[in-house]
Amino acid sequence: QKEVEQNSGPLSVPEGAIASLNCTYSDRGSQSFFWYRQYSGKSPELIMSIYSNGDKEDGRFTAQLNKASQYVSLLIRDSQPSDSATYLCAVSTGGTSYGKLTFGQGTILTVHP
Amino acid sequence: GAVVSQHPSWVICKSGTSVKIECRSLDFQATTMFWYRQFPKQSLMLMATSNEGSKATYEQGVEKDKFLINHASLTLSTLTVTSAHPEDSSFYICSPQGTGRRGGSTDTQYFGPGTRLTVL
Repeated sequence: QKEVEQNSGPLSVPEGAIASLNCTYSDRGSQSFFWYRQYSGKSPELIMSIYSNGDKEDGRFTAQLNKASQYVSLLIRDSQPSDSATYLCAVSTGGTSYGKLTFGQGTILTVHP
Repeated sequence: GAVVSQHPSWVICKSGTSVKIECRSLDFQATTMFWYRQFPKQSLMLMATSNEGSKATYEQGVEKDKFLINHASLTLSTLTVTSAHPEDSSFYICSPQGTGRRGGSTDTQYFGPGTRLTVL
């Protein structure tokens, strides 16, 4: 069983739609959860971090965490073609100090005009 | 935000040669450095963790004698791939953690821009 698993994708959505990305993790000691966006040939860039159960919103992005279900998701509202990228879910057993990250395999998102 | 640089951004070398990759944190003190690698179409995998002035801790399956990490200062860490082979071709990314020059911890993860290594 993979430690961090993401929905397989690739995911294709029309411009303006909501893209939903999902991630499950196996380590119940995990405390910090992150979503990264990675464009081809580039290093990841942080989109959202979430540490407690519930929703966290930042602009068009909403992260949702459910520790009981060991599940974290990312919603992208009003998707734009520039959102097309690989999205990586990452988990750490550290607190708000991120520490070592375990990444999921990534979900490729394509937003078509 | 913090600025992290890596050099070189890409390198092509012959099998058997050694390659050194530098990672610099330009505006904060990296007390800890994480080194990741990413094979094509795969996710990032942590290779090793180093604390400034100490020996690195390697993840299972990563050969410490092949991937030499030096973290002698708070602004510079190096990864040397010794006797590189084609299977070492990958995207190597550093991720520093530490304190800003004005104090406070870097609770935001920063990644270097990465180094693309191709071994022929």
